[in-house]
Amino acid sequence: QKEVEQNSGPLSVPEGAIASLNCTYSDRGSQSFFWYRQYSGKSPELIMSIYSNGDKEDGRFTAQLNKASQYVSLLIRDSQPSDSATYLCAVNIDNNDMRFGAGTRLTVKP
Amino acid sequence: NAGVMQNPRHLVRRRGQEARLRCSPMKGHSHVYWYRQLPEEGLKFMVYLQKENIIDESGMPKERFSAEFPKEGPSILRIQQVVRGDSAAYFCASSPDQAEKLFFGSGTQLSVL
Repeated sequence: QKEVEQNSGPLSVPEGAIASLNCTYSDRGSQSFFWYRQYSGKSPELIMSIYSNGDKEDGRFTAQLNKASQYVSLLIRDSQPSDSATYLCAVNIDNNDMRFGAGTRLTVKP
Repeated sequence: NAGVMQNPRHLVRRRGQEARLRCSPMKGHSHVYWYRQLPEEGLKFMVYLQKENIIDESGMPKERFSAEFPKEGPSILRIQQVVRGDSAAYFCASSPDQAEKLFFGSGTQLSVL
């Protein structure tokens, strides 16, 4: 069974801190990795994509990928209360299906 | 450019009835995915379709559930003889190519009485 796993949380950080979200996946052949944010009652929205090993930065967000360890993470710097949401890791499986982790609920406290 | 359109937003059915959920992908997108989500849970993959073809339906129950994406018109997720356990949010997403980022619709909340 190919899977995407995340710590379900909840993860609570104070405003201004760095939030670190982690994800592991089981399919060694996966090439595309994504982070989505989902506010309560809303649909997921893409915030980051990463395809190569290393770091990719976009504003306050940094995605990190390590294919050897089958690990992808998302760092949120200077966390804001508006970042409070569920963060979903998505991995492309067999170059076909897009599979999601269960999500990590993040709360940023003012 | 309109986003992914799903309708209805809310659908109420009694046990034993049929539910039809519609999804119109973004213009130019030929790949459609359906996911199911229960409260406080992640997205569970159901089916992946390209125009007129089902690519992977491994996440969809073999009985009562079917999906299509015809050459013309929206993708349809059909649930026959609904049961209370079918109550969930059903999200559709589209992409311009496989292995590419997904754009989600607003979802259909199905409630089975």
